Amino acid sequence: DAGVTQSPTHLIKTRGQQVTLRCSPISGHKSVSWYQQVLGQGPQFIFQYYEKEERGRGNFPDRFSARQFPNYSSELNVNALLLGDSALYLCASSLVAALDTEAFFGQGTRLTVV
Amino acid sequence: RKEVEQDPGPFNVPEGATVAFNCTYSNSASQSFFWYRQDCRKEPKLLMSVYSSGNEDGRFTAQLNRASQYISLLIRDSKLSDSATYLCYLKAAGNKLTFGGGTRVLVKP
Repeated sequence: DAGVTQSPTHLIKTRGQQVTLRCSPISGHKSVSWYQQVLGQGPQFIFQYYEKEERGRGNFPDRFSARQFPNYSSELNVNALLLGDSALYLCASSLVAALDTEAFFGQGTRLTVV
Repeated sequence: RKEVEQDPGPFNVPEGATVAFNCTYSNSASQSFFWYRQDCRKEPKLLMSVYSSGNEDGRFTAQLNRASQYISLLIRDSKLSDSATYLCYLKAAGNKLTFGGGTRVLVKP
């Protein structure tokens, strides 16, 4: 069975540009969450979606937005990129959005902003 | 104070030894707890959930102390392949999903 897949794996963008990252959850999983991981730090929670609705949001500016599609895949959009947005962006899927549900991560998208 | 704190390490561990480390949290509404391991430049991988009564999975033992608000991970008979960063992950009501900064473990021959 395929795990969580993310695309692209690597991306280089210029300051001020916009980027869209994509995530396909494990088959049967209905919840997707997004994280930003800066080198040397733990992942920081950005969004959680379940059944196409936002269920949680971390402390990120409005430049960050996301959505979930009917097939449960998800996109993370970041506008007006800053150098500080350079990070590994991780997507995790879980069966449901319940608190005791385990989350499984994709390999991430490494974004570099120059 | 950070919501979730871990000693960043590194913990230098001789092969075959036991190592243990904690993750402290400030949000008393935290309800679910997990340990993940992350290898360099890879994604986090679920190691184990942490149950209230404590639980064991092979050489790994996880404990939860709600009164003192920390979870712990103990690794027995350390293997070279246990070298990684260990991340605690907490879920609280309102879908607050929080990772610790990670504890780096280096197992040496």
